Amino acid sequence: KAGVTQTPRYLIKTRGQQVTLSCSPISGHRSVSWYQQTPGQGLQFLFEYFSETQRNKGNFPGRFSGRQFSNSRSEMNVSTLELGDSALYLCASSLPTMGSYEQYFGPGTRLTVT
Amino acid sequence: KNEVEQSPQNLTAQEGEFITINCSYSVGISALHWLQQHPGGGIVSLFMLSSGKKKHGRLIATINIQEKHSSLHITASHPRDSAVYICAVNTNTGNQFYFGTGTSLTVIP
Repeated sequence: KAGVTQTPRYLIKTRGQQVTLSCSPISGHRSVSWYQQTPGQGLQFLFEYFSETQRNKGNFPGRFSGRQFSNSRSEMNVSTLELGDSALYLCASSLPTMGSYEQYFGPGTRLTVT
Repeated sequence: KNEVEQSPQNLTAQEGEFITINCSYSVGISALHWLQQHPGGGIVSLFMLSSGKKKHGRLIATINIQEKHSSLHITASHPRDSAVYICAVNTNTGNQFYFGTGTSLTVIP
């Protein structure tokens, strides 16, 4: 089975621009979660999508948004980029179980905002 | 205040040593995860625990729900174990994920 894939792997953007990142989960996985990792804050939970609906959300401003498609692929969008948005963005997929679930991580997208 | 605290922050060991990484949390949880992150960013889920103990090869994870504490043990450590180990919890309300800051392990041959 193919693992979680994320595109692009690297991205450079300018302050004020917007960016869209993509995540394709493992086949059969219906839950996709997004995380931000920075040297200062470590790993932080952004949001989780399940069956095209946002199920959980972390403490990030509204500039960070996402969606999930019927094939479970997910996109994350960041508008009006700030320098502090430079980070590794990871997505993870999991089986459609209720409660706690083991997550399978993608390789991440490294975003640099200049 | 961090919901998840890990110790130590950095750890250097000689090959073959027994290693312990600790994780304490302050929230109610439905599960605790141990993750491994190698240089370059890739994260692998090692264990998901809600009680007791799990073992996979040379790795053992334990959790004490009453004390809100978990440990990750590596027996007969090897240089390929060098990585950052991250403790994370699923809360039992709202299903949020909180992460520890990670323990950077270096195993010297």
